[in-house]
Amino acid sequence: GEDVEQSLFLSVREGDSSVINCTYTDSSSTYLYWYKQEPGAGLQLLTYIFSNMDMKQDQRLTVLLNKKDKHLSLRIADTQTGDSAIYFCAEKKDTGGFKTIFGAGTRLFVKA
Amino acid sequence: GAGVSQSPSNKVTEKGKDVELRCDPISGHTALYWYRQSLGQGLEFLIYFQGNSAPDKSGLPSDRFSAERTGGSVSTLTIQRTQQEDSAVYLCASSRSGTGVNSPLHFGNGTRLTVT
Repeated sequence: GEDVEQSLFLSVREGDSSVINCTYTDSSSTYLYWYKQEPGAGLQLLTYIFSNMDMKQDQRLTVLLNKKDKHLSLRIADTQTGDSAIYFCAEKKDTGGFKTIFGAGTRLFVKA
Repeated sequence: GAGVSQSPSNKVTEKGKDVELRCDPISGHTALYWYRQSLGQGLEFLIYFQGNSAPDKSGLPSDRFSAERTGGSVSTLTIQRTQQEDSAVYLCASSRSGTGVNSPLHFGNGTRLTVT
């Protein structure tokens, strides 16, 4: 099917690492994205990874890609209360019109 | 530079009325998407325009929903005979060409629709 799957909730303590997981659908998808949505706002691109990469690091963010299992993860180091938001995984398909498909979003709660 | 602009930002309408929501994408972006986000929920795909190709309407929930994109730029999402379950935030996004390049979506801030 077309479903990109994510767990719905994650709760962590401030200062801990957060790991948000995603399973996507199409092994031929070339780009995989993580978006962040803060309350009352639209989605903002956080980071992306190209499908020929296994890992990408950007400051506190680390993206890991397992193409064999079609599994994508986002790790946030030293999680802060300002990281509380909904995080969406998305894949850009290289077939069927090159549409971008989103997961349902993971709501991250950061406890002080 | 200008981002994706949506109007109105808020719309309150009575059940049974028609509404039109507008999206101005980033200039030069050939792909345009509409999504719906109900309270506390994820993104529900509605429709996707890519260049001059026929739009992908597979996400439209009923025949009361329609969308058009004039001149490959501005898009209007129309909901006829609105129902209370149509209440949600309607998000528009645009991106550069969808064919094989890195083209992340740029989102507008959405239109919050409330049907009373």
